[in-house]
Amino acid sequence: DIQMTQSPSSLSASVGDRVSFTCRASQTITNYLNWYQQKPGKAPKLLIYAASSLQSGVPSRFSGSGSGTHFTLTINSLQPEDFATYYCQQSDAIPWTFGQGTKVEIK
Amino acid sequence: QVQLEESGGGLVKPGGSLRLSCAASGFIFGDYYISWIRQAPGKGLEWISYISARGTTIYYADSVKGRFTISRDNAKSSVYLQMTSLRAEDTAVYYCARESSKEGVVVTRVFDYWGQGTLVTISP
Repeated sequence: DIQMTQSPSSLSASVGDRVSFTCRASQTITNYLNWYQQKPGKAPKLLIYAASSLQSGVPSRFSGSGSGTHFTLTINSLQPEDFATYYCQQSDAIPWTFGQGTKVEIK
Repeated sequence: QVQLEESGGGLVKPGGSLRLSCAASGFIFGDYYISWIRQAPGKGLEWISYISARGTTIYYADSVKGRFTISRDNAKSSVYLQMTSLRAEDTAVYYCARESSKEGVVVTRVFDYWGQGTLVTISP
């Protein structure tokens, strides 16, 4: 199975900050990497697919980059509604696997 | 609009069984793969199974293989998860999610719509 490792597990930031966090795959997954946002008590929401493509309706302050084994999600100018947990997920091979999540908290 | 709604969760004793349902609406159900994904309390997401559009291809995570069975009824726009030999570690919120293909630099599979989840608790 492909293991996905996210770092950091949590971070504190302020509204307006630019934040980035990473996701590493245990083997190359080319660009088969998706990012989801989850708020407490809610289902995850797709943000980014194929490593860098923005899902329809997602604000342009979200961006994704990377390929191979190393990926990054960046949020420019953090907004109050962005405080949530973010998960990466590989879609290169079954079983689909997720990272353990990065929780973005208010400083 | 696309909607997925899970039902069937509850409290079950270890070794027991439960059947979850996922009712879909707002899209051509028979054109899409559906997955079940679970989340233990305070933990991350774990994909556990998917079923292809016609039900001809099915996969399971090792953690549930041999104990869980996924099925679908396209006439009823529904997917089911029959869970047997339940263990404490199966306690989680269970989500059904629609799988779609999205084209970026590659054509990738994504979970683009999710239900609200149903809680399964395994406890004596």
